[in-house]
Amino acid sequence: SQQGEEDPQALSIQEGENATMNCSYKTSINNLQWYRQNSGRGLVHLILIRSNEREKHSGRLRVTLDTSKKSSSLLITASRAADTASYFCATGKNQGGKLIFGQGTELSVKP
Amino acid sequence: GAGVSQSPRYKVTKRGQDVALRCDPISGHVSLYWYRQALGQGPEFLTYFNYEAQQDKSGLPNDRFSAERPEGSISTLTIQRTEQRDSAMYRCASSLKPAGQIGNTIYFGEGSWLTVV
Repeated sequence: SQQGEEDPQALSIQEGENATMNCSYKTSINNLQWYRQNSGRGLVHLILIRSNEREKHSGRLRVTLDTSKKSSSLLITASRAADTASYFCATGKNQGGKLIFGQGTELSVKP
Repeated sequence: GAGVSQSPRYKVTKRGQDVALRCDPISGHVSLYWYRQALGQGPEFLTYFNYEAQQDKSGLPNDRFSAERPEGSISTLTIQRTEQRDSAMYRCASSLKPAGQIGNTIYFGEGSWLTVV
C-alpha cells in the first residue's frame, strides 16, 4: 500500500507558468523526496528534504515540508515543455531503506 | 558504471516459467533496493540490501519472489512459477550510504518490464 497521495492527479499548464504539486503522507518520516518519471520511463531523483527542514531550493524547483500537516509541495517555476512528466513524492523513515511512493501527479506543459 | 543498470529491459515469459532479473548498481554504492511499479502507480517497495545482507524483505508479495546479492554488488530478483499478476516494471535502485541514514539519496535504474502471458 502507498502512503503518499499527490494532488492534483493531473495538471495541465502553459509554458512559462508555475506548477505546484502537493503530497500528503500518513506516518512520521525522516525525509521526503521528489522524483520525476519521464515518458522514457526513467525515474530521476529531483530533491530531498529532511524532516527538520522547511524549505529547499534547487534551480527552478522549490520544495516545502510541513511535518505538522504531514504535507509537502513541489513548485516548478517558469515551466518548460520538457518538464512534462509524472512527479512522485516518496517518504523515508528511520528504520531502513524503504521509500513509500505516492500515486504521482501527471504534469503536462504545453508550448 | 555511470548509473544503475538493469537487464533484461524487456522480458516476455509464459505463465509458470521462472524469471531472473539482474541489477548492477552504481559502483561503490552500499545499498541496493528492488521496487515494483504497475502502470499508473508509484513504485512499491519489495526488498533491500546493505552490502550483501538482505535487511528487509517485507515487500516481497509471496514466497515465489526472492532476491540475492551474494558479493555485495550485483543483485538478482527471481520470480518462480510466474503468474499474469506478476506483470509489471521491476526497478532496481542503489544508494551510496547504508539505507536508513538521513539524507540518503536513492538512484533508480530504467527498470525491467516483465510481461507474463
